[in-house]
Amino acid sequence: SQTIHQWPATLVQPVGSPLSLECTVEGTSNPNLYWYRQAAGRGLQLLFYSVGIGQISSEVPQNLSASRPQDRQFILSSKKLLLSDSGFYLCAYGTVGGGGYTFGSGTRLTVV
Amino acid sequence: GEDVEQSLFLSVREGDSSVINCTYTDSSSTYLYWYKQEPGAGLQLLTYIFSNMDMKQDQRLTVLLNKKDKHLSLRIADTQTGDSAIYFCAEDANAGNMLTFGGGTRLMVKP
Repeated sequence: SQTIHQWPATLVQPVGSPLSLECTVEGTSNPNLYWYRQAAGRGLQLLFYSVGIGQISSEVPQNLSASRPQDRQFILSSKKLLLSDSGFYLCAYGTVGGGGYTFGSGTRLTVV
Repeated sequence: GEDVEQSLFLSVREGDSSVINCTYTDSSSTYLYWYKQEPGAGLQLLTYIFSNMDMKQDQRLTVLLNKKDKHLSLRIADTQTGDSAIYFCAEDANAGNMLTFGGGTRLMVKP
């Protein structure tokens, strides 16, 4: 069966520190992968998506970057966190034809 | 361009029906989706409807699609306190490779 793992669940980081959030998918090959950010009680903002290894599209200019070193691994990074990077980060993979997206359980990032 | 809109908030009493509405703009959408997000959790796919259907029912959930008006609704019968969550509608675009999400409707169920 297809599953998606995202970690850590919560993270508190000081301003200026680096960030690495990891997302892995099991049970499917060559998925489309997505990173979203959600501010408290708000909608979803698409940050990055990837249709294959090494292929990253950025939706909004920001302090973050993404990488896809393996087919089922998607990493969200930052070299120096800002206070405005705080939020709830969600990873998802997509299947075409009625499957929609499957989301990970999210990472709550607080930058202090 | 693509745009999906929802009202921000809905409050109902336990046992009543809830209707969450959504409008979208991409007439080429093939599938339309409803997701549920409980506090502190990821989004969970509730149901979806193929664009050539008018209605889909799944236990307490009924999805209605008016393709002419580009209007989608989710009806929850006998709403329970466990239904309190944020509900997102989404349409697929770009041959299904990208979903466009609405801003989410927060459903509050009062006992």
